[in-house]
Amino acid sequence: KNQVEQSPQSLIILEGKNCTLQCNYTVSPFSNLRWYKQDTGRGPVSLTIMTFSENTKSNGRYTATLDADTKQSSLHITASQLSDSASYICVVSAADYKLSFGAGTTVTVRA
Amino acid sequence: GAGVSQSPRYKVAKRGQDVALRCDPISGHVSLFWYQQALGQGPEFLTYFQNEAQLDKSGLPSDRFFAERPEGSVSTLKIQRTQQEDSAVYLCASSLGLSYSYNEQFFGPGTRLTVL
Repeated sequence: KNQVEQSPQSLIILEGKNCTLQCNYTVSPFSNLRWYKQDTGRGPVSLTIMTFSENTKSNGRYTATLDADTKQSSLHITASQLSDSASYICVVSAADYKLSFGAGTTVTVRA
Repeated sequence: GAGVSQSPRYKVAKRGQDVALRCDPISGHVSLFWYQQALGQGPEFLTYFQNEAQLDKSGLPSDRFFAERPEGSVSTLKIQRTQQEDSAVYLCASSLGLSYSYNEQFFGPGTRLTVL
């Protein structure tokens, strides 16, 4: 039923290291893909948004990629910081206002 | 206010009680959304308002759920005769324009509902 699948479910990394999160989707038609960061007890906050014609978009240490042909996206976090500990949610939008959310990847950054 | 606010932040209800959850969107935002987020899952769409008009309520899980936005600003999500399966975080989001898909949705912190 879920049209947006994320992996891994969770990961632990050391401060200063890089990591990459994956998102596969089957939502169709496709309008745009977003990555959100959700801190514990807070609402999701947008990191990037990409349309089908965009292959990559950066927001500081966050870089998202999109392959609309294979329906895959990734979020790369560079030089992780303790404040990066959060859930990262991949969200795909069809040609209307409804958003399809993945279950999220929980990232824990340890000193 | 600077962002979307929701109240209460936490609500504990006994099974069978009615609850009302409030959302204050960003001032001037036309579109308002309610989502339900179960533990460890992504949010699921419940309903969508454009100003005071409820244009889509297809995600409401049962007729015990009711949402309103009478003056096109503040919205209330009401759940009647709460059940344990209603336990979740209820998120509200607002968007400046008519929410054709590219518009940014700004989320509130959510209300965590626990039904005992």
